[in-house]
Amino acid sequence: DTGVSQNPRHKITKRGQNVTFRCDPISEHNRLYWYRQTLGQGPEFLTYFQNEAQLEKSRLLSDRFSAERPKGSFSTLEIQRTEQGDSAMYLCASSLVVTGADTQYFGPGTRLTVL
Amino acid sequence: DQQVKQNSPSLSVQEGRISILNCDYTNSMFDYFLWYKKYPAEGPTFLISISSIKDKNEDGRFTVFLNKSAKHLSLHIVPSQPGDSAVYFCAASGNNQGGKLIFGQGTELSVKP
Repeated sequence: DTGVSQNPRHKITKRGQNVTFRCDPISEHNRLYWYRQTLGQGPEFLTYFQNEAQLEKSRLLSDRFSAERPKGSFSTLEIQRTEQGDSAMYLCASSLVVTGADTQYFGPGTRLTVL
Repeated sequence: DQQVKQNSPSLSVQEGRISILNCDYTNSMFDYFLWYKKYPAEGPTFLISISSIKDKNEDGRFTVFLNKSAKHLSLHIVPSQPGDSAVYFCAASGNNQGGKLIFGQGTELSVKP
């Protein structure tokens, strides 16, 4: 078990460009979450999947953001027409929920810088 | 509306002493609480959790206490070690949150040799 992995670790892009991040969860985990963290703040929830179904999206997730988890395994987060305000650390987490508690394990994150 | 608050941005402790990190919450529907540790440029690492049916959970040097009436939880680290120096986040979830975690702002712990 190698844990949650995220690629790329760092991404620098120019305003207006599209970017895509990938998350590979811990195998057999049925839930996958995306969070965003800015300096001095805790992670903020963006969206999550149970298997391949996207069950909730935060109001932070504007129309420029889209996430997929096509086969219930890895997930991608795409940001279209990036803005400087999108600069942040994007974190992915996964968990195995059968009943009760949902302990989420995080990946190393993707640091996005929009110039 | 900050539902989970960590009011101390930083804490400095001597090696070998106890570190106490505090967290307050406002939503009485929260029923599961977690502590994460984060080093710079890394993702949060899960440390310890507690369900609302308990008031204490212990794992090695780490103990989490939950006071539901005060809507307050704390993380105790005994004894503190220099390697514990990091940012600590508390997080909460509940049935009405759909599984997502609500995080506090974090407390930066510095353990001095």
